[in-house]
Amino acid sequence: GAGVSQSPSNKVTEKGKDVELRCDPISGHTALYWYRQSLGQGLEFLIYFQGNSAPDKSGLPSDRFSAERTGGSVSTLTIQRTQQEDSAVYLCASSGAGETQYFGPGTRLLVL
Amino acid sequence: DQQVKQNSPSLSVQEGRISILNCDYTNSMFDYFLWYKKYPAEGPTFLISISSIKDKNEDGRFTVFLNKSAKHLSLHIVPSQPGDSAVYFCAAKATGTYKYIFGTGTRLKVLA
Repeated sequence: GAGVSQSPSNKVTEKGKDVELRCDPISGHTALYWYRQSLGQGLEFLIYFQGNSAPDKSGLPSDRFSAERTGGSVSTLTIQRTQQEDSAVYLCASSGAGETQYFGPGTRLLVL
Repeated sequence: DQQVKQNSPSLSVQEGRISILNCDYTNSMFDYFLWYKKYPAEGPTFLISISSIKDKNEDGRFTVFLNKSAKHLSLHIVPSQPGDSAVYFCAAKATGTYKYIFGTGTRLKVLA
């Protein structure tokens, strides 16, 4: 497809389990971003990739969160030992040469 | 420390009238601004942008105004349509950086 895709669209998990969220950016976009939106909040920056490297991981809330990107394309955000406060919509965006970020539909994570 | 603020969480406007959404920022280094629209269960969609070399950018029914001295930008939608009902986010960044800072959003409801 032409846009950013994310999977799964919804994920319900039990506290303490690990989850993996996937993002497929727009083909050719070198920059990839992960954000989190908790209920009633704005978009919280998590991590940025330029190619396969992540110059800035400062937004990751704890060491339970990690992300990787392979082949300059697909990215995976992993949350280990999930907690209830991890429940949120996780959004991925990509950008090319321009300044505009294009967002995927998000993954709605619910930790019970 | 919220560098980008949208102080109105919600706004209701009659169809055909003007909608004005406001955004304030504190970081004088910000020089590129975006507005996004977000429908429920979808990712944010890019709407319009403005750089600090301009004070106005227009695209159809949407106009963004930037007042650098006041560190304030606004999005005008005229005429408003029911399909414009969504949450609107403003975002800002500084040249040479990659990280956009997002506001918490304003929910616009256009009444038919």
